[in-house]
Amino acid sequence: EVQLVESGGGLVQPGGSLRLSCGVSGFSFDDHAMHWVRQVPGQGLEWVSGISWNSARTGYADSVRGRFTISRDNAKNSLDLQMNSLRPEDTAFYYCARDTSGSYSWSLLDYWGEGTVVTVSS
Amino acid sequence: EIVLTQSPGTLSLSPGERATLSCRAGQSLGDKYLAWYQQKPGQAPRLLIYGASTRATGIPERFSGSGSGTDFTLTISRLDPEDFAVYYCQQYGRSPVTFGLGTKVEIK
Repeated sequence: EVQLVESGGGLVQPGGSLRLSCGVSGFSFDDHAMHWVRQVPGQGLEWVSGISWNSARTGYADSVRGRFTISRDNAKNSLDLQMNSLRPEDTAFYYCARDTSGSYSWSLLDYWGEGTVVTVSS
Repeated sequence: EIVLTQSPGTLSLSPGERATLSCRAGQSLGDKYLAWYQQKPGQAPRLLIYGASTRATGIPERFSGSGSGTDFTLTISRLDPEDFAVYYCQQYGRSPVTFGLGTKVEIK
Protein backbone atom coordinates (compact mmCIF):
# COMPACT_ATOMS: atom_id res chain seq x y z
CA GLU A 1 0.00 0.00 0.00
CA VAL A 2 1.32 3.40 -1.00
CA GLN A 3 1.69 5.71 1.98
CA LEU A 4 2.96 9.26 2.31
CA VAL A 5 3.19 10.82 5.77
CA GLU A 6 4.09 14.46 6.29
CA SER A 7 5.57 15.86 9.48
CA GLY A 8 7.24 18.99 10.76
CA GLY A 9 4.41 21.48 10.60
CA GLY A 10 3.65 23.91 13.38
CA LEU A 11 3.46 27.51 14.49
CA VAL A 12 6.31 29.82 13.52
CA GLN A 13 6.81 33.55 13.65
CA PRO A 14 7.10 35.63 10.50
CA GLY A 15 10.65 35.50 9.23
CA GLY A 16 11.22 32.14 10.85
CA SER A 17 12.07 28.75 9.39
CA LEU A 18 10.50 25.33 9.34
CA ARG A 19 11.47 22.03 7.76
CA LEU A 20 8.78 19.69 6.53
CA SER A 21 9.40 16.02 5.88
CA CYS A 22 7.50 13.35 4.02
CA GLY A 23 8.18 9.69 4.64
CA VAL A 24 6.99 7.24 2.01
CA SER A 25 6.45 3.51 1.75
CA GLY A 26 4.80 0.97 -0.49
CA PHE A 27 6.50 1.92 -3.75
CA SER A 28 9.89 2.44 -5.34
CA PHE A 29 10.60 5.98 -4.22
CA ASP A 30 13.43 6.53 -6.69
CA ASP A 31 11.14 5.82 -9.65
CA HIS A 32 9.05 8.92 -9.01
CA ALA A 33 9.34 12.67 -8.92
CA MET A 34 7.81 14.22 -5.82
CA HIS A 35 6.01 17.46 -5.05
CA TRP A 36 4.74 19.74 -2.34
CA VAL A 37 1.30 21.29 -2.79
CA ARG A 38 -0.32 23.63 -0.30
CA GLN A 39 -3.85 24.67 0.51
CA VAL A 40 -5.08 27.52 2.60
CA PRO A 41 -8.04 26.16 4.61
CA GLY A 42 -11.23 26.62 2.63
CA GLN A 43 -9.36 27.61 -0.52
CA GLY A 44 -7.85 25.97 -3.57
CA LEU A 45 -4.67 24.04 -4.27
CA GLU A 46 -1.33 25.68 -5.03
CA TRP A 47 1.68 23.78 -6.35
CA VAL A 48 4.73 24.76 -4.30
CA SER A 49 7.70 22.73 -5.49
CA GLY A 50 8.78 19.58 -7.27
CA ILE A 51 11.91 17.45 -7.54
CA SER A 52 12.91 14.83 -10.09
CA TRP A 53 13.59 11.23 -9.14
CA ASN A 54 17.34 11.75 -8.91
CA SER A 55 17.29 15.31 -7.53
CA ALA A 56 18.81 16.57 -10.78
CA ARG A 57 16.01 19.05 -11.37
CA THR A 58 13.85 21.07 -9.06
CA GLY A 59 11.12 23.63 -9.59
CA TYR A 60 9.41 26.24 -7.44
CA ALA A 61 6.37 28.44 -7.55
CA ASP A 62 7.22 32.12 -7.93
CA SER A 63 5.68 32.75 -4.51
CA VAL A 64 8.31 30.62 -2.73
CA ARG A 65 11.35 30.70 -5.02
CA GLY A 66 14.45 31.80 -3.13
CA ARG A 67 12.88 31.02 0.26
CA PHE A 68 11.98 27.32 0.04
CA THR A 69 14.29 24.42 -0.86
CA ILE A 70 13.09 20.95 -1.79
CA SER A 71 15.31 17.90 -1.35
CA ARG A 72 15.05 14.15 -1.16
CA ASP A 73 17.00 11.19 0.18
CA ASN A 74 16.29 8.09 -1.88
CA ALA A 75 18.17 5.89 0.56
CA LYS A 76 15.82 6.96 3.34
CA ASN A 77 12.65 7.23 1.24
CA SER A 78 12.14 10.77 2.40
CA LEU A 79 11.27 14.15 0.92
CA ASP A 80 11.93 17.46 2.63
CA LEU A 81 10.93 21.08 2.24
CA GLN A 82 13.10 23.66 3.96
CA MET A 83 11.08 26.84 4.40
CA ASN A 84 12.90 30.05 5.30
CA SER A 85 11.80 33.67 5.63
CA LEU A 86 8.26 32.52 6.26
CA ARG A 87 5.39 34.93 5.75
CA PRO A 88 1.81 34.92 7.05
CA GLU A 89 0.63 34.10 3.53
CA ASP A 90 2.56 30.81 3.72
CA THR A 91 0.03 29.60 6.29
CA ALA A 92 -1.59 26.49 4.83
CA PHE A 93 -1.87 22.74 4.83
CA TYR A 94 1.16 21.31 3.05
CA TYR A 95 0.75 18.04 1.17
CA CYS A 96 3.45 15.88 -0.33
CA ALA A 97 2.39 14.08 -3.47
CA ARG A 98 3.81 11.46 -5.79
CA ASP A 99 4.27 12.13 -9.49
CA THR A 100 3.39 9.34 -11.89
CA SER A 101 6.63 10.18 -13.72
CA GLY A 102 10.25 10.50 -12.73
CA SER A 103 10.31 14.05 -14.10
CA TYR A 104 8.95 16.78 -11.83
CA SER A 105 7.77 18.79 -14.80
CA TRP A 106 5.16 16.11 -15.57
CA SER A 107 3.26 16.82 -12.33
CA LEU A 108 0.43 14.31 -12.54
CA LEU A 109 -0.10 13.52 -8.88
CA ASP A 110 -1.51 10.08 -8.12
CA TYR A 111 -0.94 9.72 -4.38
CA TRP A 112 -1.08 12.35 -1.67
CA GLY A 113 -0.30 12.44 2.01
CA GLU A 114 -2.80 13.69 4.58
CA GLY A 115 -0.95 16.97 5.01
CA THR A 116 0.70 18.93 7.78
CA VAL A 117 -0.37 22.40 8.84
CA VAL A 118 1.96 25.37 8.88
CA THR A 119 0.88 28.52 10.68
CA VAL A 120 2.95 31.69 10.35
CA SER A 121 1.88 34.20 12.94
CA SER A 122 3.29 36.40 15.67
CA GLU B 1 1.14 30.11 -16.54
CA ILE B 2 -2.08 28.47 -17.70
CA VAL B 3 -5.15 29.71 -15.86
CA LEU B 4 -7.95 27.21 -15.30
CA THR B 5 -11.47 28.52 -14.68
CA GLN B 6 -13.97 26.15 -13.14
CA SER B 7 -17.71 26.57 -13.18
CA PRO B 8 -20.03 26.65 -11.46
CA GLY B 9 -18.52 27.48 -8.11
CA THR B 10 -21.16 25.42 -6.36
CA LEU B 11 -23.51 22.78 -7.70
CA SER B 12 -26.54 21.83 -5.58
CA LEU B 13 -27.94 18.46 -6.56
CA SER B 14 -29.72 15.46 -5.08
CA PRO B 15 -28.35 11.91 -4.87
CA GLY B 16 -29.05 10.07 -8.11
CA GLU B 17 -28.86 13.22 -10.23
CA ARG B 18 -26.30 13.91 -12.93
CA ALA B 19 -23.49 16.40 -12.24
CA THR B 20 -21.70 18.30 -14.98
CA LEU B 21 -18.61 20.30 -14.02
CA SER B 22 -16.70 22.56 -16.37
CA CYS B 23 -13.04 23.53 -16.58
CA ARG B 24 -11.85 26.09 -19.12
CA ALA B 25 -8.17 26.64 -19.83
CA GLY B 26 -6.69 30.01 -20.67
CA GLN B 27 -4.86 28.43 -23.62
CA SER B 28 -5.28 25.23 -25.55
CA LEU B 29 -4.22 21.98 -23.90
CA GLY B 30 -3.71 20.29 -27.23
CA ASP B 31 -2.08 17.35 -25.55
CA LYS B 32 -5.11 16.86 -23.24
CA TYR B 33 -2.96 16.86 -20.12
CA LEU B 34 -5.91 17.69 -17.91
CA ALA B 35 -6.69 15.91 -14.64
CA TRP B 36 -9.55 15.98 -12.16
CA TYR B 37 -9.25 15.49 -8.41
CA GLN B 38 -11.86 14.97 -5.71
CA GLN B 39 -11.36 16.34 -2.22
CA LYS B 40 -13.58 15.62 0.76
CA PRO B 41 -13.46 17.68 3.96
CA GLY B 42 -10.40 16.90 6.03
CA GLN B 43 -8.92 14.66 3.36
CA ALA B 44 -6.23 14.92 0.75
CA PRO B 45 -7.16 15.24 -2.92
CA ARG B 46 -7.72 12.00 -4.85
CA LEU B 47 -6.90 11.59 -8.53
CA LEU B 48 -10.04 10.75 -10.52
CA ILE B 49 -9.31 11.41 -14.20
CA TYR B 50 -6.16 12.07 -16.23
CA GLY B 51 -5.53 12.64 -19.90
CA ALA B 52 -8.92 14.40 -19.88
CA SER B 53 -10.84 11.13 -20.04
CA THR B 54 -8.96 8.20 -18.46
CA ARG B 55 -10.19 7.05 -15.07
CA ALA B 56 -7.53 6.48 -12.45
CA THR B 57 -7.23 3.11 -10.75
CA GLY B 58 -10.27 2.19 -8.68
CA ILE B 59 -12.44 5.11 -9.81
CA PRO B 60 -16.08 4.10 -10.43
CA GLU B 61 -17.48 4.18 -13.96
CA ARG B 62 -20.02 6.85 -13.01
CA PHE B 63 -17.13 9.34 -13.26
CA SER B 64 -16.24 10.35 -16.80
CA GLY B 65 -14.17 13.10 -18.35
CA SER B 66 -14.29 14.67 -21.75
CA GLY B 67 -13.11 17.65 -23.69
CA SER B 68 -10.24 19.03 -25.69
CA GLY B 69 -8.54 22.30 -26.50
CA THR B 70 -9.66 24.72 -23.84
CA ASP B 71 -12.94 23.17 -22.65
CA PHE B 72 -13.15 20.13 -20.43
CA THR B 73 -15.98 18.45 -18.51
CA LEU B 74 -16.25 16.08 -15.59
CA THR B 75 -19.52 14.21 -15.46
CA ILE B 76 -20.85 12.15 -12.59
CA SER B 77 -23.67 10.15 -14.11
CA ARG B 78 -25.62 9.42 -10.92
CA LEU B 79 -24.52 11.09 -7.71
CA ASP B 80 -23.78 8.76 -4.85
CA PRO B 81 -23.89 10.24 -1.32
CA GLU B 82 -20.10 9.80 -1.13
CA ASP B 83 -19.61 11.99 -4.21
CA PHE B 84 -20.51 15.25 -2.48
CA ALA B 85 -17.15 16.97 -2.34
CA VAL B 86 -15.00 19.61 -4.03
CA TYR B 87 -13.59 18.85 -7.47
CA TYR B 88 -10.47 20.45 -8.92
CA CYS B 89 -9.12 20.38 -12.43
CA GLN B 90 -5.38 20.56 -13.03
CA GLN B 91 -3.20 20.95 -16.09
CA TYR B 92 0.04 19.03 -16.06
CA GLY B 93 2.99 18.54 -18.35
CA ARG B 94 3.58 22.28 -18.60
CA SER B 95 5.40 24.12 -15.88
CA PRO B 96 4.18 25.51 -13.61
CA VAL B 97 1.38 23.08 -12.95
CA THR B 98 -1.85 24.91 -12.16
CA PHE B 99 -5.18 24.06 -10.56
CA GLY B 100 -8.63 25.51 -10.94
CA LEU B 101 -10.33 27.02 -7.91
CA GLY B 102 -12.71 24.10 -7.59
CA THR B 103 -16.39 23.25 -7.86
CA LYS B 104 -18.22 22.23 -4.72
CA VAL B 105 -20.91 19.62 -5.27
CA GLU B 106 -23.32 19.88 -2.37
CA ILE B 107 -26.48 18.10 -1.38
CA LYS B 108 -29.59 19.98 -2.38
